[in-house]
Amino acid sequence: SQQGEEDPQALSIQEGENATMNCSYKTSINNLQWYRQNSGRGLVHLILIRSNEREKHSGRLRVTLDTSKKSSSLLITASRAADTASYFCATDAGGNQFYFGTGTSLTVIP
Amino acid sequence: DARVTQTPRHKVTEMGQEVTMRCQPILGHNTVFWYRQTMMQGLELLAYFRNRAPLDDSGMPKDRFSAEMPDATLATLKIQPSEPRDSAVYFCASGLLGNTGELFFGEGSRLTVL
Repeated sequence: SQQGEEDPQALSIQEGENATMNCSYKTSINNLQWYRQNSGRGLVHLILIRSNEREKHSGRLRVTLDTSKKSSSLLITASRAADTASYFCATDAGGNQFYFGTGTSLTVIP
Repeated sequence: DARVTQTPRHKVTEMGQEVTMRCQPILGHNTVFWYRQTMMQGLELLAYFRNRAPLDDSGMPKDRFSAEMPDATLATLKIQPSEPRDSAVYFCASGLLGNTGELFFGEGSRLTVL
């Protein structure tokens, strides 16, 4: 990819469990965003974390950022079947050019 | 609800034909992006515009692809001539950058080149 990689590539969990996916990127960034994509649809913004932030919460989402390791993680707590989707991280290195990772495909089994 | 509109949603064409994809960004947004999504490469940034001016199209094969914004309500991505390897889903996204930095995506144009 042009910038980052998510892992795992695919994740399957039971409803109610937590899901954690990771993103590694290559260059220094201004901010990092997470997006969600349902099958056959466009991407939808979930959360943005700036380079001077270490952790951010939004509802059942928790994002961490470690700029020294050039990595971020997205935690979805108490997962639901409706959370089944692909999740992407996107980095902005300062030029407002947003580069996306390869995505993690999450399946939540009811 | 304000949203990014892309047409066509699906396009099947023969190799060598010209393909034009259109995007209507959200009114008031100052930045427009074109991405291509394939299973192998993921989401690739092809081009982006700020206030209708092209800022970067280095991700785009120049010999056959061109991107324009003839006005603030329309962005186009043209492929001429198309090749089977161009088969992908093409996404347009717009944003009001300098603000939240959030991108709003259209539903995509699925292109199949036979």
